[in-house]
Amino acid sequence: GAGVSQSPRYKVAKRGQDVALRCDPISGHVSLFWYQQALGQGPEFLTYFQNEAQLDKSGLPSDRFFAERPEGSVSTLKIQRTQQEDSAVYLCASSLARTSGGDQETQYFGPGTRLLVL
Amino acid sequence: AQTVTQSQPEMSVQEAETVTLSCTYDTSESDYYLFWYKQPPSRQMILVIRQEAYKQQNATENRFSVNFQKAAKSFSLKISDSQLGDAAMYFCAYRSAVYGNKLVFGAGTILRVKS
Repeated sequence: GAGVSQSPRYKVAKRGQDVALRCDPISGHVSLFWYQQALGQGPEFLTYFQNEAQLDKSGLPSDRFFAERPEGSVSTLKIQRTQQEDSAVYLCASSLARTSGGDQETQYFGPGTRLLVL
Repeated sequence: AQTVTQSQPEMSVQEAETVTLSCTYDTSESDYYLFWYKQPPSRQMILVIRQEAYKQQNATENRFSVNFQKAAKSFSLKISDSQLGDAAMYFCAYRSAVYGNKLVFGAGTILRVKS
């Protein structure tokens, strides 16, 4: 498929475990975003990459959250020592470019990874 | 910081009728983009419509249109001839044209379509 894919789709973790969530953006998309969506709420921004550079990580809630995109394509969001409040859907989105206007900036979302921390 | 407010947690519409979802936002910027995204149950979010703040003309996409009132900072979505497949959570979102390109979302409105 040509869309954004994420894996795993569901993850159950015991409190204190580390988890890694993967995002495969649309081929050729330069920009990649991670959002956190709590149940019944709108997504909240976590971090943004342009190619392999992490240009904005202002939304990461704590130093337990870490994201990387080493080769400018696939990205991994890692959460260390998971807590119950980390339970949420983690959404990845990609866009073709960051230009002024036009469809190239449209963010296309993946299906999300639903994380449940027990 | 920019904020987006959707004051209707839930809306219902009869099939084939028209419904309007409300959205207001707060910003000090003059150049930005506004979006409506649709998130069906257990399915991924898709873009419904976008509006550039510098454009006075309201965006339309088939049965979907917006009423963009820049001075009032209002951005409502009108769905005409509602279909069962329109049932979903709808999110209004803001993106700065200058400072970063993250989306700022509202809390969402659940739209139910009655047959």
